[in-house]
Amino acid sequence: GIQVEQSPPDLILQEGANSTLRCNFSDSVNNLQWFHQNPWGQLINLFYIPSGTKQNGRLSATTVATERYSLLYISSSQTTDSGVYFCAVVSSDYKLSFGAGTTVTVRA
Amino acid sequence: GAGVSQTPSNKVTEKGKYVELRCDPISGHTALYWYRQSLGQGPEFLIYFQGTGAADDSGLPNDRFFAVRPEGSVSTLKIQRTERGDSAVYLCASSLMAPTDTQYFGPGTRLTVL
Repeated sequence: GIQVEQSPPDLILQEGANSTLRCNFSDSVNNLQWFHQNPWGQLINLFYIPSGTKQNGRLSATTVATERYSLLYISSSQTTDSGVYFCAVVSSDYKLSFGAGTTVTVRA
Repeated sequence: GAGVSQTPSNKVTEKGKYVELRCDPISGHTALYWYRQSLGQGPEFLIYFQGTGAADDSGLPNDRFFAVRPEGSVSTLKIQRTERGDSAVYLCASSLMAPTDTQYFGPGTRLTVL
């Protein structure tokens, strides 16, 4: 099946800092989603972005499908941004495959 | 509108017992999925329903696991003869028609097998 690699595995930020999370995948994809898993375990949809660029408030994402990667940008981070960020893709097997996640800690 | 709901939120059982986990998808979504998340890992695919039928059950770990969706809406994941290794968070998701559509996740059921 498709391989999904996220980097870095852990990220510690000072409140107000900007950061970039990366997701590499090993095959062409039909769906790519970014999620934020909050401390209560809920997976919150951030972006559906199999290609192109989207922005939502302080968050934005870019997927370059031809080069098989996606980036999630967090600007002016807040303590509420803490949690685990997952990238997940659907390839030719039609299963949503998740990366291992990036754990973000934002310190006040 | 209402999101995906799952019950119970927590389930503690003893080794060898039978459990049922319920998922209520977003109204109008024909595709429904079950995933399992172990501590410190990303969710892993278990099964995908399109309407009432299991379109892909290749992620079910063994024949102790079974899922149904008899009327094309609510789904139940059934685990027989539970083992301690089954302890995990079981997540349900739904999408409008297909895995290539945006998938929306429920809050999960935390299963603990003692």
